[in-house]
Amino acid sequence: DGGITQSPKYLFRKEGQNVTLSCEQNLNHDAMYWYRQDPGQGLRLIYYSQIVNDFQKGDIAEGYSVSREKKESFPLTVTSAQKNPTAFYLCASSIDSGTHSNQPQHFGDGTRLSIL
Amino acid sequence: AQKITQTQPGMFVQEKEAVTLDCTYDTSDPSYGLFWYKQPSSGEMIFLIYQGSYDQQNATEGRYSLNFQKARKSANLVISASQLGDSAMYFCAMREGGYNQGGKLIFGQGTELSVKP
Repeated sequence: DGGITQSPKYLFRKEGQNVTLSCEQNLNHDAMYWYRQDPGQGLRLIYYSQIVNDFQKGDIAEGYSVSREKKESFPLTVTSAQKNPTAFYLCASSIDSGTHSNQPQHFGDGTRLSIL
Repeated sequence: AQKITQTQPGMFVQEKEAVTLDCTYDTSDPSYGLFWYKQPSSGEMIFLIYQGSYDQQNATEGRYSLNFQKARKSANLVISASQLGDSAMYFCAMREGGYNQGGKLIFGQGTELSVKP
């Protein structure tokens, strides 16, 4: 089945540690996105990528980094500079990022990150 | 400025009744799309329905319909014949413009719907 796989489901970070969240899609989508969700809140955009080897900052990019070396993969690194990383992280993809504007973003099941 | 506003933090509805979840938006872009997603307690985001800014008719998908009032900048979700499985968080989201906008979604704060038996 086609879809988006996020791993791990739960992740714990120690102080001063970088951690990487995985996001893989087999939908052949060009565009991929990372969102952060805090309890009782909506989703906020961290980074997005419209094409391989290119990505842009979203609204809350500080303390995060990404790469897009393959179409299928868009990993997110939460660096030690992110002082409040405890949140639910959702990865999404869409067939493209403008031309077919009626196409929804498809989401993975998310990763819950906590501080130890 | 808040681009997507959902004014109902929580709503209750009796099973089998209809319910309307409110969403207002703010944009100066003539080309935009509005999406509704459902998020159960497990966390995944489930796409429900889409309305384009140039669509002449209100969108419908099964028990979901969208009451789109462009002049008022509102896109309310109507769920007919509520079921217990409809209990979840519901998010309204907007995508502005074309390729240069990146296809980003701007989300509201969400409405938590509880269906009572």
